[in-house]
Amino acid sequence: ETGVTQTPRHLVMGMTNKKSLKCEQHLGHNAMYWYKQSAKKPLELMFVYNFKEQTENNSVPSRFSPECPNSSHLFLHLHTLQPEDSALYLCASSQELKGGPGELFFGEGSRLTVL
Amino acid sequence: AQKVTQAQTEISVVEKEDVTLDCVYETRDTTYYLFWYKQPPSGELVFLIRRNSFDEQNEISGRYSWNFQKSTSSFNFTITASQVVDSAVYFCALSDFSGANNLFFGTGTRLTVIP
Repeated sequence: ETGVTQTPRHLVMGMTNKKSLKCEQHLGHNAMYWYKQSAKKPLELMFVYNFKEQTENNSVPSRFSPECPNSSHLFLHLHTLQPEDSALYLCASSQELKGGPGELFFGEGSRLTVL
Repeated sequence: AQKVTQAQTEISVVEKEDVTLDCVYETRDTTYYLFWYKQPPSGELVFLIRRNSFDEQNEISGRYSWNFQKSTSSFNFTITASQVVDSAVYFCALSDFSGANNLFFGTGTRLTVIP
C-alpha cells in the first residue's frame, strides 16, 4: 500500500468513448503526476501538478486532458483515443523539496485498452 | 539532453546468486539525482534509492548495494543472495531538478529469480 490509489485498474474503451482515470493520494504531498508506460519504452511523463497548478505538459495530445481539483486528487480525461494509446497509466505523488527532487510514490496503474 | 540506458532487457538467475543491474546515464548538468525503482507484478513502482551527483559513496541496504561512478556515468545496482521475491522490473532514473520533478527513466531490466 503506497498511499496512492488509482481507479479503475482496468479499462477497455472504443475510440469514440469518453472516460476518466482517477488518482487519489493520502500522503499530504504537494505534487502529482501522470506517467504513461508502454511496452519496451521508458516511462513517459505526461503531466505534472505542483500545488494544483499544472507545471509540465510534455507535448501530450489534446485527447488527454488532466484535471487537478485539489492537492489530493488527479484525473485524466480521455476522449477519442487511438489504439496506440493503449498502455499502463501510472499516477504518482511527491513532496517537492528545496534540496532536490523527492521520492515518487506510485499507484498500481490503470491498464487502458483502446479498441 | 538527459538519457538513461539500461542495456540488460532481461536477466534470469538462480536463487541465492548475486546479480548486478547496469545503469548508464547522460547529462550535461553538474547537479543531478539518480534513482532506482522496483516494479513488482502488481504494477506500482517502489522507490529504492536516491543519490545526488555530489555523493559518490557506495551504499548498502541489506542485500542491496549501489555503485555510483561519475567517471563512467554509471549507477549500478547489485542484489546479493537473490530471492524469488526480487523478481520484478527494475528502473534506473535521472532527474535534473529543473523545477519540476521530471524523472528520465530507463527502459527497465526484468529480473527473474528461479527457485
